[in-house]
Amino acid sequence: DAKTTQPPSMDCAEGRAANLPCNHSTISGNEYVYWYRQIHSQGPQYIIHGLKNNETNEMASLIITEDRKSSTLILPHATLRDTAVYYCIAWNSGNTPLVFGKGTRLSVIA
Amino acid sequence: GAVVSQHPSRVICKSGTSVKIECRSLDFQATTMFWYRQFPKQSLMLMATSNEGSKATYEQGVEKDKFLINHASLTLSTLTVTSAHPEDSSFYICSARGQQGDNEKLFFGSGTQLSVL
Repeated sequence: DAKTTQPPSMDCAEGRAANLPCNHSTISGNEYVYWYRQIHSQGPQYIIHGLKNNETNEMASLIITEDRKSSTLILPHATLRDTAVYYCIAWNSGNTPLVFGKGTRLSVIA
Repeated sequence: GAVVSQHPSRVICKSGTSVKIECRSLDFQATTMFWYRQFPKQSLMLMATSNEGSKATYEQGVEKDKFLINHASLTLSTLTVTSAHPEDSSFYICSARGQQGDNEKLFFGSGTQLSVL
C-alpha cells in the first residue's frame, strides 16, 4: 500500500467544516483513497472512499486532486461526536488488510 | 453496512492464563479476517490474517504459538492469547471484508481491551 502523510492533529470549532488533508504522492493506479476514523476505545469506522472522482455521502465529502497525489476529507458541520483519529489509507480493496498510519487526531471544540 | 461482532469487549486476567477473543461476521460470510493490536496512543498494527479452513498468516514479529488463530467457519474467527503476560495487555481488533455491495470495505469489530495483571 502507498504510504500516506497526515498532520498529527487538528482543531475545529463545533458547527464549522473540518478539512483534513492527506498526501499520497506514491499512490498506484489501482489504489483507492479510503478514510476511516476511530473514536476512543472503539474499532475503526468506515467513512468514505474514492478513486479519482470526488465523492460525497451522508458522513463526509472526499476531494481528490487531479493527479491523485493528495486528498481532503471534509466534514461539513463538525460536532463534538466527530472528535476522533482520522486515518487516510491508500488501498486496492483486494483481499488484503488495511495498513494504518498514524492518522490525524481531530478535536472538535465547543 | 456489514456488522462485525467482537466479544468480549473487555477482559482482565491473571498472568499465565489464556484468553480467547471471538470475532463474528453477523450478516455475511468472511473467508478472510484480519487481527490487529493497538497500544495506547498508537496506531493499529496488523498481527495476522485469518483464513477460513487454513492456517493463519502472521506478520513478522508476531509469535504464532502465543497468538493462536482459528477460523473454523465462514462467520467466526478466534484469537487466543496463550499464557498471557502484562506486556500482552493491549486493545485487540478484528476486521472482515464485506460482501456484494460492501465488498470494497473492511468492517471492524468494536475491539477487546485485554488487561493482564
